[in-house]
Amino acid sequence: QVQLVQSGTEVKKPGSSVKVSCKASGGTFSNYSINWVRQAPGQGLEWMGEIIPMFGTPNYAQKFQGRVTIIADEFTSIAYMELSSLRSEDTAVYYCARGGRNGAYFDYWGQGTLVTVSS
Amino acid sequence: DIQMTQSPSTLSASVGDRVTITCRASQTISSWLAWYQQKPGKAPNLLIYKASNLESGVPSRFSGSGSGTEFTLTISSLQPDDFATYYCQQYNSYTYTFGQGTKLEIK
Repeated sequence: QVQLVQSGTEVKKPGSSVKVSCKASGGTFSNYSINWVRQAPGQGLEWMGEIIPMFGTPNYAQKFQGRVTIIADEFTSIAYMELSSLRSEDTAVYYCARGGRNGAYFDYWGQGTLVTVSS
Repeated sequence: DIQMTQSPSTLSASVGDRVTITCRASQTISSWLAWYQQKPGKAPNLLIYKASNLESGVPSRFSGSGSGTEFTLTISSLQPDDFATYYCQQYNSYTYTFGQGTKLEIK
């Protein structure tokens, strides 16, 4: 069974950066996209970007271009999402999610990582 | 970006009811649409992909239909476990977008 396990809660200052990890187990890591989706408190889901580990080239939502970096390590089966220049509006739960076999729907999700940005 | 609009935003229903949620895309997305269920404090759970394909392990009371710009998620007979928030998501383009969500409440 595929599992995605994310790193723990983060509290950050405005202007700083956060790096969240997502460790995959139980499946083939390299062939499927790993996506990052965030959810602000009481709000909906927002896709941030993806990477297919075997190719290594990320695809970012335009909104986050220049502020987000997504990488994947095939040897450890860990994907990372780093978000810089944090502001209070970035307070959210950040999820990693695996892309499906037949398209970019998300069939497995991590448990979520709460990132709070506060001075 | 392709905009996804769900209706209604909130839906009140009773156990045993048949309910339908609609999702409209701002441009055609063929059948590249998924539906998710999310409960408070939990990650979303995939229900339907490619508009009408039921994900393994999802009860058969859930069904999806549509193509182009209009899609529906139907729950044939509501069960207590179904009260949650539902999201559609398009994956036609290389930027994936979600609907704003439909909260299904107990009447």
